Amino acid sequence: EVQLVESGGGLVQPGRSLRLSCGVSGFTFDDYAMHWVRQAPGKGLEWVSGITWDSLTKGYADSVKGRFTISRDNAKNSLYLQMNSLRPEDTAFYYCTKNNRFRYFGGGMDVWGQGTTVTVSS
Amino acid sequence: EIMMTQSPPTLSVSPGERATLSCRVSQSVSSNLAWYQQKPGQVPRLLIFGASSRATGIPVRFSGSGSGTEFTLTISSLQSEDFAVYYCQQYHIWWTFGPGTKVEIK
Repeated sequence: EVQLVESGGGLVQPGRSLRLSCGVSGFTFDDYAMHWVRQAPGKGLEWVSGITWDSLTKGYADSVKGRFTISRDNAKNSLYLQMNSLRPEDTAFYYCTKNNRFRYFGGGMDVWGQGTTVTVSS
Repeated sequence: EIMMTQSPPTLSVSPGERATLSCRVSQSVSSNLAWYQQKPGQVPRLLIFGASSRATGIPVRFSGSGSGTEFTLTISSLQSEDFAVYYCQQYHIWWTFGPGTKVEIK
């Protein structure tokens, strides 16, 4: 069974950092690009960041560029999101997602984790 | 930055009826568009990619069409389990989601 399991969320003060992790099983992790997508309470979906299978290409939403860093460890079947200088507007449910297309970006996101909550508040 | 709009924001439909959802993009994304369904308390589910290709396990009553800047998701005969929020997403230049269309019971 294909599974994505996020962890690392929590309550953090503005300006502080948090690192999210996503453990993967049920498919060959290093065959696929991966993404982070977030959803603020009661709001729509926002793509946050994506990374190709080989980590050579990474992309970020303008809202997080310069503050968040995506990475992956193919040996550990894990995806990460380092979030620095957190703001109240970063409060959201964060999903780890699998790219649908083999190896490179494109084709939508066909597998989603259950998500982890990040709350930024003093 | 690519901007996306979805219309209508809310669509009231009776079970068994046809639902047509629209997605417009501020610049051409070719066929690099996907549709997702999200039910309350659940994670989004990929329905359509490449503007018109159904994802694995998606019923044939869901169909997508369009290219360039205008796209449509059609649900041919709404079932009770189809009442949800639907998002379009472009992946031509990075990724952008539309604001969503809520399909509710009439």
